Amino acid sequence: EAGVVQSPRYKIIEKKQPVAFWCNPISGHNTLYWYLQNLGQGPELLIRYENEEAVDDSQLPKDRFSAERLKGVDSTLKIQPAELGDSAVYLCASSLGTSGSADTQYFGPGTRLTVL
Amino acid sequence: KNQVEQSPQSLIILEGKNCTLQCNYTVSPFSNLRWYKQDTGRGPVSLTIMTFSENTKSNGRYTATLDADTKQSSLHITASQLSDSASYICVVSAQGGSYIPTFGRGTSLIVHP
Repeated sequence: EAGVVQSPRYKIIEKKQPVAFWCNPISGHNTLYWYLQNLGQGPELLIRYENEEAVDDSQLPKDRFSAERLKGVDSTLKIQPAELGDSAVYLCASSLGTSGSADTQYFGPGTRLTVL
Repeated sequence: KNQVEQSPQSLIILEGKNCTLQCNYTVSPFSNLRWYKQDTGRGPVSLTIMTFSENTKSNGRYTATLDADTKQSSLHITASQLSDSASYICVVSAQGGSYIPTFGRGTSLIVHP
């Protein structure tokens, strides 16, 4: 069975440009998560979806970040405009149920963003 | 404020040796604690999960312990292998309310031949 798929794996852009990341969760997984991970740090939750509904988006900087999960399957995370401080790895994860922290999350390989 | 502190920040050991990684947390009310392994360039992979009533959980050569009274956990790796080289992240979740797990910064383990 395929794991969580993310694309692109790497992205280099100039500041003030827009960028989008795509995530396809494991088939049948209802919950999808977007995390930001800086070098040498643990992941930080940006947003969590239960099916197509966004919950727990308090950590998402809504002035420049947006996310969507149409039809409750794959998801897109967008940054517009990107800033130098956005350089990080963006991880997507999915879990089977909607019982919150008890579910095992399966992570994708991440997208490494470099903003010049 | 919920916090998860891990030590040491980094560790270098020889292949075949054992090691123990530490995790202290202040997350309350406690729900569960997970240890993840993150290989370079990969996403984290769950190793163990423990709830309040569990004080030890094993997964192959990995054994996690939990002391809910002192709010401490450890991950013991037995007979280390080169493939154990990775970052090990402790994640603690609170009960109820909005689900936002608290991640530690991780311990970077390097196993030398």
